Amino acid sequence: NAGVMQNPRHLVRRRGQEARLRCSPMKGHSHVYWYRQLPEEGLKFMVYLQKENIIDESGMPKERFSAEFPKEGPSILRIQQVVRGDSAAYFCASSPPGGNLAKNIQYFGAGTRLSVL
Amino acid sequence: AQKITQTQPGMFVQEKEAVTLDCTYDTSDPSYGLFWYKQPSSGEMIFLIYQGSYDQQNATEGRYSLNFQKARKSANLVISASQLGDSAMYFCAMRERSGAGSYQLTFGKGTKLSVIP
Repeated sequence: NAGVMQNPRHLVRRRGQEARLRCSPMKGHSHVYWYRQLPEEGLKFMVYLQKENIIDESGMPKERFSAEFPKEGPSILRIQQVVRGDSAAYFCASSPPGGNLAKNIQYFGAGTRLSVL
Repeated sequence: AQKITQTQPGMFVQEKEAVTLDCTYDTSDPSYGLFWYKQPSSGEMIFLIYQGSYDQQNATEGRYSLNFQKARKSANLVISASQLGDSAMYFCAMRERSGAGSYQLTFGKGTKLSVIP
């Protein structure tokens, strides 16, 4: 019964390159959230997706960042033309569909640590 | 204004003693959820305990309990019989419904707990 799987665990990019972070939710979960954690800070919400739909992207920077959750395959967080300020830990969480969404627990993956040189 | 406030950047506790980690929150939504997560040095986010705003009783999960004082808007985590493996960052988080219809979590800055042998 695998948990939320994120890969890679560590990613190093040079300024101007693209970063692609993957998240496979827990089995049976169809809601995915992405969060960013800067050093010495708590997690900050970026985007909430359901299969093939972006529901809430109010926490996403307006430029260079995009997310998708296709019908088949993992959710992808894509950062184009990375800058040093993008260096952070990026966490994905998933929760099950239906029921009382306010009560659904979000289970987190181990995160991807992005370092921009 | 901070939605989640954790006033203790760091705490020390003797092994086998109990410890309370403070968390206060701010919301005008009558329906919300409060969560605690543990982040060990390895970096993953581990769900510990959940309290719903309408729950009549304080939540408990093994050695973890949540001291929920709704009028004071506080949701302190109590860890009983501390173990060396409890040394980690602890984050309090709140979920309320956003204008976009999602239920993202808002995190505090965390408390670093160190258990002393």
